[in-house]
Amino acid sequence: AQKVTQAQTEISVVEKEDVTLDCVYETRDTTYYLFWYKQPPSGELVFLIRRNSFDEQNEISGRYSWNFQKSTSSFNFTITASQVVDSAVYFCALNTGGGNKLTFGTGTQLKVEL
Amino acid sequence: NAGVTQTPKFQVLKTGQSMTLQCAQDMNHNSMYWYRQDPGMGLRLIYYSASEGTTDKGEVPNGYNVSRLNKREFSLRLESAAPSQTSVYFCASSELWLPNQPQHFGDGTRLSIL
Repeated sequence: AQKVTQAQTEISVVEKEDVTLDCVYETRDTTYYLFWYKQPPSGELVFLIRRNSFDEQNEISGRYSWNFQKSTSSFNFTITASQVVDSAVYFCALNTGGGNKLTFGTGTQLKVEL
Repeated sequence: NAGVTQTPKFQVLKTGQSMTLQCAQDMNHNSMYWYRQDPGMGLRLIYYSASEGTTDKGEVPNGYNVSRLNKREFSLRLESAAPSQTSVYFCASSELWLPNQPQHFGDGTRLSIL
């Protein structure tokens, strides 16, 4: 069985603050793939990043960075100098080789205020 | 660059009515999916089509049917709508039926059953 936990239901920050969204996953497979998606208030789901289980390199894309740690089964997402446009629900998701089932966490609602 | 297009965007039905949700992708993807999103539960897979000509049940298939009309189109049908099917429905596609493939989502259909 696979599971994704996003314990932070809602986070509120003031613009320009840094914020980290936590994601903890569970799987018995040794090969798996982790994803982050963004759902802005308009409702669509936007793919942000994919990480393979055998690649623990952190990734940075502009103000976004991702910290993958197999030792703690976590794949956390940090937004540096947050902006109002970052306000959205962010989903972490996990897929493994068994049956190609993408399992989503329950999402973290991020509110960035002026 | 439309990506995944869903119609309609909003719909209100009465209990017992039938309805078909339409989905089309223009990325030449082989695999397509239907999810439902309910508050506090993330996204759950209803049905999927690994490739043209095949369909299979996901996590919550009861009350739904699907048709993979061709490579581009994948429709979801509610034969006799029930209030428990009030939800936001997302269609997604991926290039291949593999766990490392990011899924690309449409804008969603907000369906209310009275």
